[in-house]
Amino acid sequence: GAVVSQHPSWVICKSGTSVKIECRSLDFQATTMFWYRQFPKQSLMLMATSNEGSKATYEQGVEKDKFLINHASLTLSTLTVTSAHPEDSSFYICSARTGARLNQPQHFGDGTRLSIL
Amino acid sequence: DQQVKQNSPSLSVQEGRISILNCDYTNSMFDYFLWYKKYPAEGPTFLISISSIKDKNEDGRFTVFLNKSAKHLSLHIVPSQPGDSAVYFCAASADSNYQLIWGAGTKLIIKP
Repeated sequence: GAVVSQHPSWVICKSGTSVKIECRSLDFQATTMFWYRQFPKQSLMLMATSNEGSKATYEQGVEKDKFLINHASLTLSTLTVTSAHPEDSSFYICSARTGARLNQPQHFGDGTRLSIL
Repeated sequence: DQQVKQNSPSLSVQEGRISILNCDYTNSMFDYFLWYKKYPAEGPTFLISISSIKDKNEDGRFTVFLNKSAKHLSLHIVPSQPGDSAVYFCAASADSNYQLIWGAGTKLIIKP
């Protein structure tokens, strides 16, 4: 149980393109989903926390107009990288929490490797 | 300011031996700690967790030890298997904040 599906797994696109990444909880309802970014050989960096039906909470230094997050249902959250540039190239990972208890483990998708040419 | 530190970027262990991965933290408000395992190009997988009211939690080959006075926790894997080769992340959270604070990860290599 607790499967999180992330799509696409790899995207290569030209600079200036907008890219949408989907995160789905397949067998549970996720009231909260998280979006992370990972640079090579570095830890996960939390970008934003997405709550179903409300605006996402962005971490300091993350541009909300650049990284649009939508959590329209209890099983789907999307991250759109708008007008992507080479510096946005990274590994993006989503996660979802299975229950209401704050300390329940997060379950992660397999990530999306974004390469901007 | 790194609140969660994994000071060893990599660790090499012989198959069958014990692997010990270490994690230190600075924030005394942390009361819940988790270990995740990550393969390349995949998302992290939850392994084991421990609450600050305990000093040990065991699940099969995995045991996590917590030393609150030293603000230190460790993950023991015994016996180590080739499939354990991965990057291991330590994460912590405080009661009033669901946000996980992550360490930089330790790459574990199990040698046959």
